Amino acid sequence: DGGITQSPKYLFRKEGQNVTLSCEQNLNHDAMYWYRQDPGQGLRLIYYSQIVNDFQKGDIAEGYSVSREKKESFPLTVTSAQKNPTAFYLCASSPTGNSGNTIYFGEGSWLTVV
Amino acid sequence: EDQVTQSPEALRLQEGESSSLNCSYTVSGLRGLFWYRQDPGKGPEFLFTLYSAGEEKEKERLKATLTKKESFLHITAPKPEDSATYLCAVQAAGTYKYIFGTGTRLKVLA
Repeated sequence: DGGITQSPKYLFRKEGQNVTLSCEQNLNHDAMYWYRQDPGQGLRLIYYSQIVNDFQKGDIAEGYSVSREKKESFPLTVTSAQKNPTAFYLCASSPTGNSGNTIYFGEGSWLTVV
Repeated sequence: EDQVTQSPEALRLQEGESSSLNCSYTVSGLRGLFWYRQDPGKGPEFLFTLYSAGEEKEKERLKATLTKKESFLHITAPKPEDSATYLCAVQAAGTYKYIFGTGTRLKVLA
């Protein structure tokens, strides 16, 4: 089945550690995104990529990094510089084109700082 | 500034009691408006895409409509399994970014 796979589902980070969240899609979409979701808030964009080897900062990129070496993969690293990383992280993808492009989501990853 | 506002924040319905959720938007040019259902601890599940005013789409008990300023998600004779958070998002012209509302938490009581 086509879709977006995020792993791990649950991740615990110690203070000062970097952790990486994996995102793989087999929808053949050019664009990929990372969002953060906190209780009572809308989805906030961390990074997005429209094409391989290119990505742009979103609204809350500080303390995060990404890479886009393959069309199918868009891993997110949460660095120790991110002061409040405990949240639900969503990876998404969409086609790119002139009309509105439906964005599809993975099942999410929970990150907790211990 | 591009913006999406959803109302109400929360809604409790009795099973079979039809209602509507609202998504008001302000964008410089609309490329698409999207509705999603999100269950607790899961990623948003795609429901509908609407492109232009006057467009309507239906799926089971759900019907989405679009005007130049807002969209409605109508729920007809809801069941307890329709309980979820419903998210609305827009994509503005000239951008690949999406703007999301904060959602409406729907609870349908048996």
